Amino acid sequence: GNSVTQMEGPVTLSEEAFLTINCTYTATGYPSLFWYVQYPGEGLQLLLKATKADDKGSNKGFEATYRKETTSFHLEKGSVQVSDSAVYFCALRGPGSARQLTFGSGTQLTVLP
Amino acid sequence: ETGVTQSPTHLIKTRGQQVTLRCSSQSGHNTVSWYQQALGQGPQFIFQYYREEENGRGNFPPRFSGLQFPNYSSELNVNALELDDSALYLCASSLDMASGGYGYTFGSGTRLTVV
Repeated sequence: GNSVTQMEGPVTLSEEAFLTINCTYTATGYPSLFWYVQYPGEGLQLLLKATKADDKGSNKGFEATYRKETTSFHLEKGSVQVSDSAVYFCALRGPGSARQLTFGSGTQLTVLP
Repeated sequence: ETGVTQSPTHLIKTRGQQVTLRCSSQSGHNTVSWYQQALGQGPQFIFQYYREEENGRGNFPPRFSGLQFPNYSSELNVNALELDDSALYLCASSLDMASGGYGYTFGSGTRLTVV
């Protein structure tokens, strides 16, 4: 079946540091890949997505590239801010009628001023 | 436009009881999915409803059931509650089945504690 493995947290960085959160996946066929963010007390928000190999998703300074050869979709940001503190989830959507998402276990990011 | 609203926000139940969680989907969305998020884990897919019919289900026992109403709002029912059912239950709506992860709008969830 489909699965997503995420870098375990928590991750603590100083403001303006570089961020990488690793994500690898196992899936049949050609999944679509996503990063979601969850702020305290809120639901999940879609951060970025990529639908095919070599696609790069980007939003709010975050980027991730769909690497089929390494089955990876690592999240990066060049300069984090305190407001980026949240839990980040990597997810995939495989083929199938329900198009459900399979999530990783999440990575807690804390950015210190 | 309104987002996804879930109620209640918190709930405490006793093992063996039954619970109903409610979700109002975003205006115009006709597909609702439910996810269970245990503490420290990623959300797990429970099932999806499209135009009042269940059209996909994850690895959850039959005591997890649902409904979708003509206005596309939805309920999640859990019978014979177990301690392991303690989790955050997330509802997500989308424009149609094909939107899948693209068009999901998640609610803030219902925190269920089973004691």
